[in-house]
Amino acid sequence: AQKVTQAQTEISVVEKEDVTLDCVYETRDTTYYLFWYKQPPSGELVFLIRRNSFDEQNEISGRYSWNFQKSTSSFNFTITASQVVDSAVYFCALRDTGANSKLTFGKGITLSVRP
Amino acid sequence: DSGVTQTPKHLITATGQRVTLRCSPRSGDLSVYWYQQSLDQGLQFLIQYYNGEERAKGNILERFSAQQFPDLHSELNLSSLELGDSALYFCASSATVFTDTQYFGPGTRLTVL
Repeated sequence: AQKVTQAQTEISVVEKEDVTLDCVYETRDTTYYLFWYKQPPSGELVFLIRRNSFDEQNEISGRYSWNFQKSTSSFNFTITASQVVDSAVYFCALRDTGANSKLTFGKGITLSVRP
Repeated sequence: DSGVTQTPKHLITATGQRVTLRCSPRSGDLSVYWYQQSLDQGLQFLIQYYNGEERAKGNILERFSAQQFPDLHSELNLSSLELGDSALYFCASSATVFTDTQYFGPGTRLTVL
């Protein structure tokens, strides 16, 4: 069965600090997709990034970057120079390519960025 | 704005009642997913439809049902409501089934009193 673990539950940083959100996943599939979603206080779920299992290249997009390591089944997400608007709950999610393409979510990490 | 719309935004009802939540997917998306977010269970997949047909079921109670109509909008019906059904219900859509990113609507917050 698929599983996503976000061991950190709450993180508090001061504005402009860098922060890394950890995600560890379990799957028996060889092909799968990993996602990060953000849920701000307003409640909607906002798609941030997606990574395919066959592409381990790590990328940077603006203030966001991610580190996908298949060997350790981790998909960590880093926000550089955090801002107050980054305060939200961040969810890591896993999806396989089988007939059931549901997302399996972690429990989320609450990030608070203080001015 | 993801392009997925959900109505109503908030719903307050009593135990034993029945409600219908509505979702319109992004333009061109054929697949619709329903998820429930509660404090104790987190985000859980309920059910998926693709082009009008049920594709997959998750942890959906028998009191809950859904359908996707020819115009691709979807409805989630919740009946014999219990206090524990209070949650945020999300609809998501994707272009196809296998590899596309799911984009979520703003959610419907259901409160059962």
